[in-house]
Amino acid sequence: SQQGEEDPQALSIQEGENATMNCSYKTSINNLQWYRQNSGRGLVHLILIRSNEREKHSGRLRVTLDTSKKSSSLLITASRAADTASYFCATGRYSGGGADGLTFGKGTHLIIQP
Amino acid sequence: EPEVTQTPSHQVTQMGQEVILRCVPISNHLYFYWYRQILGQKVEFLVSFYNNEISEKSEIFDDQFSVERPDGSNFTLKIRSTKLEDSAMYFCASSDLRGLDEKLFFGSGTQLSVL
Repeated sequence: SQQGEEDPQALSIQEGENATMNCSYKTSINNLQWYRQNSGRGLVHLILIRSNEREKHSGRLRVTLDTSKKSSSLLITASRAADTASYFCATGRYSGGGADGLTFGKGTHLIIQP
Repeated sequence: EPEVTQTPSHQVTQMGQEVILRCVPISNHLYFYWYRQILGQKVEFLVSFYNNEISEKSEIFDDQFSVERPDGSNFTLKIRSTKLEDSAMYFCASSDLRGLDEKLFFGSGTQLSVL
């Protein structure tokens, strides 16, 4: 089954710096999504990039997708203390039969030091 | 902004007991999901539901699990005879149109503790 695996597992940076997280997966996908999870809370969708896209921006977020390398990166620019959370990539593959589940990676725990 | 609501937020039960976790998806969404997250581990897909039937289920979703949409608003996950290893945070999610082409909206989760 396809899997998203993020690295690093944990990342600690100073406020104002940029944070980069990477995700690798194993099989073909329709799209790749990034979610954020604050401690003990549900996941919040950040951005979706389709398999035919290479880069996408949303505010301070920049996502890239390289399907030849089966990898994606999430860049958060000008980090803030409120960005402290776990970040997950999730891959989706529509089989045509209905609503297939996303496959999540283990996540990167990001800590922004004030 | 519309949101997915889950109840209860915490559920403690004895091993072997039945539990029902409840979710109210966003009203105009068509695809519904249950995921779970064991403490410190990745979020795992359990089941998806569309057009009043299961669309896909994972290996975790065995005969002890069932889902139901008893009315036009609720979506429930039942575990018939809970095991210790069922202890986890259970998340309900919903999406519009073709689920994988759209973002999922997650509830805040139900923390299930099986003693």
